[in-house]
Amino acid sequence: DTEVTQTPKHLVMGMTNKKSLKCEQHMGHRAMYWYKQKAKKPPELMFVYSYEKLSINESVPSRFSPECPNSSLLNLHLHALQPEDSALYLCASSYRVDSYNSPLHFGNGTRLTVT
Amino acid sequence: AQKITQTQPGMFVQEKEAVTLDCTYDTSDQSYGLFWYKQPSSGEMIFLIYQGSYDEQNATEGRYSLNFQKARKSANLVISASQLGDSAMYFCAMRINTGNQFYFGTGTSLTVIP
Repeated sequence: DTEVTQTPKHLVMGMTNKKSLKCEQHMGHRAMYWYKQKAKKPPELMFVYSYEKLSINESVPSRFSPECPNSSLLNLHLHALQPEDSALYLCASSYRVDSYNSPLHFGNGTRLTVT
Repeated sequence: AQKITQTQPGMFVQEKEAVTLDCTYDTSDQSYGLFWYKQPSSGEMIFLIYQGSYDEQNATEGRYSLNFQKARKSANLVISASQLGDSAMYFCAMRINTGNQFYFGTGTSLTVIP
């Protein structure tokens, strides 16, 4: 069983909808990440939170808005998405942000389809 | 700049045979970690194995071992006694001490044939 849980598993939304993806970890990790992954490609980093503060925003469009309410929770708010935003969205956590021996632990992902 | 290269887009292996997935990396940092992840068609990225740049012994985790050749900058994954459930995409990744980035390779799709 994964120790990083993501909801929902699947999401279909129209271009005018507002929705949120949720991620929760109880591993005591202090860094949390959002990745976007297209089919047969490696994950692309979107955002990194370190100690609940946003430390990296990889030039992601403002229609994606991250939020880290506490050390265990990470949300991704979606608004006015485009069809090209359809992808697998992966949440991950790691014990530390700045340590090379700290692996990422991923959730199961949310498969997002924008119609 | 950091870079991970996986040159095998697709691999096939007979069930119960061993298979090696290639990974080379490039970094000027002395401290770095190398990771392998498995991604089945269900989508979850599963952490398999880790090797640190200062580790002198190759890492092993069950049927997975990492063939680390530092001078050649390679970190190949060896899966012994392949099982049908090993069919998946496999990503090699690297992390350095500075910055928050994981650098992923392009992945290798492994198919285990019964």
